[in-house]
Amino acid sequence: GDSVTQMEGPVTLSEEAFLTINCTYTATGYPSLFWYVQYPGEGLQLLLKATKADDKGSNKGFEATYRKETTSFHLEKGSVQVSDSAVYFCALSDRDNQGGKLIFGQGTELSVKP
Amino acid sequence: GAGVSQTPSNKVTEKGKYVELRCDPISGHTALYWYRQSLGQGPEFLIYFQGTGAADDSGLPNDRFFAVRPEGSVSTLKIQRTERGDSAVYLCASSLSFGGLAGGPYNEQFFGPGTRLTVL
Repeated sequence: GDSVTQMEGPVTLSEEAFLTINCTYTATGYPSLFWYVQYPGEGLQLLLKATKADDKGSNKGFEATYRKETTSFHLEKGSVQVSDSAVYFCALSDRDNQGGKLIFGQGTELSVKP
Repeated sequence: GAGVSQTPSNKVTEKGKYVELRCDPISGHTALYWYRQSLGQGPEFLIYFQGTGAADDSGLPNDRFFAVRPEGSVSTLKIQRTERGDSAVYLCASSLSFGGLAGGPYNEQFFGPGTRLTVL
């Protein structure tokens, strides 16, 4: 079945450092791809999405590009802040079932130190 | 406006007991999803509803788990004869609707804060 694999955490960075969190997927169809974020004490929030190959999703300085040839959707940010400390989840959704179930990776905890 | 709410926020029960977890979706959202998140893992899909009917219940782990949404709004996840392995955070999400053609708009799922279930 479809699955998502993301790099293990925790990831600890200093403020203003460059962030990459790797995410790869396997899917039988043509999925939409997402990054969700869970800040401490809060619910899951959609951070960004991409629905077709070569699309770039972006939000709050974060970016991820849908790479069909490498089945990847890596999350990047040029300069992280302490407020970015959270758990980040890569996810996919079967394209033929828009709005259907999400399949998540295991999550990557990010800790940004001042 | 109000987001997705879930009650209770925490539930502690004993092995073998029955529990009900409630989800109030965003008003007007016709699709509702349940996920389960074990410690250190990503959420795992359980079931989703479009309106009152369960459109996909393939993620329910066994017949001890059941969910209803009788009026197409509030949903209740029911777990019978709880086991210690059921301990997890149960997440609910809602979206405007389900379905549409490939390439159509994605209906974002909005998540509630979750119910933390602990089975002793």
